[in-house]
Amino acid sequence: KNQVEQSPQSLIILEGKNCTLQCNYTVSPFSNLRWYKQDTGRGPVSLTIMTFSENTKSNGRYTATLDADTKQSSLHITASQLSDSASYICVVSVASGGYNKLIFGAGTRLAVHP
Amino acid sequence: GAGVSQTPSNKVTEKGKYVELRCDPISGHTALYWYRQSLGQGPEFLIYFQGTGAADDSGLPNDRFFAVRPEGSVSTLKIQRTERGDSAVYLCASSSTAEYQETQYFGPGTRLLVL
Repeated sequence: KNQVEQSPQSLIILEGKNCTLQCNYTVSPFSNLRWYKQDTGRGPVSLTIMTFSENTKSNGRYTATLDADTKQSSLHITASQLSDSASYICVVSVASGGYNKLIFGAGTRLAVHP
Repeated sequence: GAGVSQTPSNKVTEKGKYVELRCDPISGHTALYWYRQSLGQGPEFLIYFQGTGAADDSGLPNDRFFAVRPEGSVSTLKIQRTERGDSAVYLCASSSTAEYQETQYFGPGTRLLVL
């Protein structure tokens, strides 16, 4: 069964600190892996997209890594800001039927405190 | 330009009633997706449209759920005989194509509460 698991479920950090969120997946056939940010009451917003040949991708203070061999990904947030408080969702795209079928993790809920 | 919009933003209904949820995708986007998100969970796929046709409806939980996109733009998700378990946030997303690396842009969702 296609699954995406994330850890931790929730995380509290102080403003200015760094943090790393983890994602493990069992998805086949794998197409790409995405990280989304979802603010409370809003739809998810894409942060990064990586194919199996990409090891790392950055978007400002967000850096995603991918190890396709171990089927693990991480999202590193540098110098956190209060506005980073949100849920971060790991999403794996299944190459099936010629379109992006997305399998979502449950998300990590990040709270950045002053 | 405008992003994906969904109406209503909130919907409260009674068990057994019929509801319609609307999605306006980004103009020109041919691919449209519906997802359902329960509290504390990630979104789950419901249905995917390419143009006017439902290319994959394998995520619809049962025959009480139905979706249409008659003109290849606006889509409506219809739920008959609602049950309390249908309470969730229903998200719509669109992308310019359905190619594998295409970004899906999400709307704010419709929060459905079935009493």
